[in-house]
This record gives sequence, structure tokens and C-alpha cells, in this order.
Amino acid sequence: GQQVMQIPQYQHVQEGEDFTTYCNSSTTLSNIQWYKQRPGGHPVFLIQLVKSGEVKKQKRLTFQFGEAKKNSSLHITATQTTDVGTYFCALGSSNTGKLIFGQGTTLQVKP
Amino acid sequence: DAGVTQSPTHLIKTRGQQVTLRCSPKSGHDTVSWYQQALGQGPQFIFQYYEEEERQRGNFPDRFSGHQFPNYSSELNVNALLLGDSALYLCASSFLGGRGNEQFFGPGTRLTVL
Repeated sequence: GQQVMQIPQYQHVQEGEDFTTYCNSSTTLSNIQWYKQRPGGHPVFLIQLVKSGEVKKQKRLTFQFGEAKKNSSLHITATQTTDVGTYFCALGSSNTGKLIFGQGTTLQVKP
Repeated sequence: DAGVTQSPTHLIKTRGQQVTLRCSPKSGHDTVSWYQQALGQGPQFIFQYYEEEERQRGNFPDRFSGHQFPNYSSELNVNALLLGDSALYLCASSFLGGRGNEQFFGPGTRLTVL
């Protein structure tokens, strides 16, 4: 079945530094969703990307979908302690609601 | 407007027992999906219910079963519990069968099997 690989697994940054997590698939993706899970919390939807080469921004967060629709990235500019958590990419089916999650990237931010 | 709710919050069971977890979807949503999240891992899809039927199933044994009621709420049942079933069980709701739509997750039920 389809899988998405996410790197890195962990990232420790100093507050104010940038952060990027990458999501890769061997097959073409119909869409990619990004979720954030705070420690002890549940996944919260951030965004969905559908179009080839799509770039979307949410304040300090920039999401990108690759031209070949096989990879995606999430970039956070000038991290803050509130950015701490695990960021998951998830492949969403265009026919059903099944989500296939990556392993996640856990971000720690040192104040 | 209440979001997705799940009960109970925590549960401790012993091997071989059976457990039922409950989920109420976000208002206006008609689809419920269940996920298992082991510690340090991403959520794994168990199955999805739409129009009171199991529409899709992940790679989980028949010990995992579910149900959706006419009011769209759902139950997840796990029989013959194993130690490896210890995990956070997440319910997610969506609209129109969840086709490519964002999913709203509940707070989860933390199941510990001793």
C-alpha cells in the first residue's frame, strides 16, 4: 500500500531558528494533509494541499506540494515555544476519508 | 458547537478482556474513522464508518470491530485484548464520507492493557 516517509524524526532548535520537515512518497499523491499534535494532545488539522507545486502560507508556516506530487514540506520561520509538538503529514484518499500518516517530526524549541 | 467527543478518557484492562470505546462526531459530520496511535508513532487507520456501514478497513484483525448509530455516533470494540493493544485510540469525524476532507480528531481514549 501507499506509504509516506517523513524526515527528520526529531529536531531541536533554538527559539527564533527556522524548522523544516519533509514528507516523501514513492507514488503520486492525490493530496497531502498536515496535522500538529501537541504533547499529550490529539492531531489538529493544519492544511490540505491538492495541486502540483502548490504553496500555502499560514503566518510563519509555509506548506509546499512538490511538482510531481510525490513530496511535501512544512517550513516554520522563526520558531516559538508554542510551535513545540509533532508534525505529521498524511496522505488523504480522494475516494474515502482514510488517512495514511507519516511517522511524524517532533519539534523541540529551546527558549 | 461541540467538537468530537470520546469516552472514556482512560481505561485499564487485562489481557483477554473486551473493551468498548465511544465517539460522538462533530455536529454536521456523517463519517467516523478510528485510529490507533502507539507511543511515538503516527496514527494507524483502523476503519471508517459511513451511513452506518464499515466502508473501509485498515490492516487490523477481526478482534477490532465497530458500529455506527443513526445519530452518527460510533463505537469501537476490541475483543481478547493483547498487551500490544495498549495505545491511544483516536476517533476522527468528517463530512460527506470524508472524501479528501480534513478530519477533526477527538481527544482520544488511552487504553492500557496489563
